[in-house]
Amino acid sequence: DQQVKQNSPSLSVQEGRISILNCDYTNSMFDYFLWYKKYPAEGPTFLISISSIKDKNEDGRFTVFLNKSAKHLSLHIVPSQPGDSAVYFCAARGPNTDKLIFGTGTRLQVFP
Amino acid sequence: DGGITQSPKYLFRKEGQNVTLSCEQNLNHDAMYWYRQDPGQGLRLIYYSQIVNDFQKGDIAEGYSVSREKKESFPLTVTSAQKNPTAFYLCASSPGRITGELFFGEGSRLTVL
Repeated sequence: DQQVKQNSPSLSVQEGRISILNCDYTNSMFDYFLWYKKYPAEGPTFLISISSIKDKNEDGRFTVFLNKSAKHLSLHIVPSQPGDSAVYFCAARGPNTDKLIFGTGTRLQVFP
Repeated sequence: DGGITQSPKYLFRKEGQNVTLSCEQNLNHDAMYWYRQDPGQGLRLIYYSQIVNDFQKGDIAEGYSVSREKKESFPLTVTSAQKNPTAFYLCASSPGRITGELFFGEGSRLTVL
């Protein structure tokens, strides 16, 4: 049972445009959400996070939006750059655990 | 430099053999984790440890074993009981629940021949 879902396995965006990556979750007890970026044959690196008490968090070109009623979060990258091409994972955590539950990932390709 | 070191980066094993993947961190983090990545399945938690001499099973612990004798080290043994061991294995550590952020190593790719 996949508690965190990324329904788009891939996304292709032109350089300079906005990239929107989506993530849905089923467990309403999740209270913390994170996005990770991963290049091939490397470990994931942390990008940005959001607590369930907020609906938006920004860090430079990256913004995460959380819609608790829809159990949906999204990552916006503006403007997209070729170096953003990677696999992006969303992850979620419940209130009484340190464990992160990861989605299946979305491969983003930014072309010139 | 502070970080997480996994070794070896690539490993080949014959069926029926146990193999141990090393994970060392010098970030002074209490919690350490092992994840497995398979194509199309994201990262799945194998084992985690929140403190020395203590660890818990994750979602796919069968066929794996771990130890946490030192804060810096969290080795993973892939035993012959693991039915499908070929995968990319990722070790991570965390300072605790305040940030929730995990710091990952570069991974170890295990191939069973």
